[in-house]
Amino acid sequence: NAGVMQNPRHLVRRRGQEARLRCSPMKGHSHVYWYRQLPEEGLKFMVYLQKENIIDESGMPKERFSAEFPKEGPSILRIQQVVRGDSAAYFCASSPGFLVNTEAFFGQGTRLTVV
Amino acid sequence: AQKITQTQPGMFVQEKEAVTLDCTYDTSDPSYGLFWYKQPSSGEMIFLIYQGSYDQQNATEGRYSLNFQKARKSANLVISASQLGDSAMYFCAMRDDGAGNMLTFGGGTRLMVKP
Repeated sequence: NAGVMQNPRHLVRRRGQEARLRCSPMKGHSHVYWYRQLPEEGLKFMVYLQKENIIDESGMPKERFSAEFPKEGPSILRIQQVVRGDSAAYFCASSPGFLVNTEAFFGQGTRLTVV
Repeated sequence: AQKITQTQPGMFVQEKEAVTLDCTYDTSDPSYGLFWYKQPSSGEMIFLIYQGSYDQQNATEGRYSLNFQKARKSANLVISASQLGDSAMYFCAMRDDGAGNMLTFGGGTRLMVKP
């Protein structure tokens, strides 16, 4: 049973480009969470999605950031017109349902570097 | 308001000794979960241990145990018989069931095991 899979592991973008980060949840999981970790800090919640629905996006910046979790395929976190401050590690976690997870497993993260 | 506090930015421990990493939390919800994660220098987030607010006994997983003191709102991680491979960042996190299914993380403690 594969764990949470994220790709790419490392992503370099120039300022102004778009970054697309992908997350495939664990088998049987229909809920996905995205977190961001700035250097030397803990993870900060960004967005919580169920298939085809955004449940909570209270941690998402209002501009340039969007997330989706389509019926088929991975969840995508999209950052448009990236800036240096977007450089961070982005982690994804999944769970089988709401308030079910007594364990919360993360993917290996995508490290975004904006140059 | 900060919900999770880790007051030890860095700690040293001698190999084979036990170490306690502190974590205090703040919530008014009676139902919540507490998590500890290890983040080695390679960057991935490794789930270590979980404690539910209604669990009667302290959680244990191998060399990891959670000293859960509900009245004091503390959830300290105890690592017994430290190994060199335990050197890493350690994060405490809380899932507040009244505030959604996401995790709130502390700022982390960097543990360094001395040979």
